[in-house]
Amino acid sequence: QVQLVQSGAEVKKPGASVKVSCKASGYIFTNYTLHWVRQAPGHRLEWMGWINAGNGYTKYSQKLQGRVTITRDTSATTSYMELSSLRSEDTAVYYCARDRSIVPYVPGDYWGQGTLVTVSS
Amino acid sequence: SYELTQPSSVSVFPGQTASITCSGIRLGDKYACWFQQKTGQSPVLVIYEDTKRPSGIPERFSGSNSGNTATLTISGTQAMDEADYYCQAWDSTTGVFGGGTKLTVL
Repeated sequence: QVQLVQSGAEVKKPGASVKVSCKASGYIFTNYTLHWVRQAPGHRLEWMGWINAGNGYTKYSQKLQGRVTITRDTSATTSYMELSSLRSEDTAVYYCARDRSIVPYVPGDYWGQGTLVTVSS
Repeated sequence: SYELTQPSSVSVFPGQTASITCSGIRLGDKYACWFQQKTGQSPVLVIYEDTKRPSGIPERFSGSNSGNTATLTISGTQAMDEADYYCQAWDSTTGVFGGGTKLTVL
């Protein structure tokens, strides 16, 4: 069965960077796009970007462009999301989510369990 | 930037029909999908490509999309359907989520 298992909670200081991993199993990793979505406490879901797990092509939200980097390691069937220059507003649960295809069009056929990132001095 | 607008809350009695709307400029020209999120849990896809249900989603969940509005309809609403619901669409290659609607089953 399809599973996305994310790394554990993180606490970071303002200005630092965080890197969250998403280990995929139960399907052919390179046949699907992976999305990253975050949710600040009590707020809406926010799409951050996606990565074509086959060719590594990425697309990011304009709001986070320049601070977010999504990568993947095909041998480890794992995607990574790194967010830099952290600020308090980045405190959120970060999710990875698999699309239904390699062409991005449904950001979340399957979801990881979420990773809480807390930014605090 | 493209925006999707949802009502903040909808209430329904058990067994009745709940309708949750999502509005955006020419949304009917795009595909919409819907996610259910229960408290403390990851979202679950309930509708994609406007009207399609993933396997395992009950038939009481249905969707439509025309003009500027997409609608999620839950027929014969059950207590287990109480959750936040989010619509989603693409603005070119950028993903956009609605603000979410809290569905309360009275």
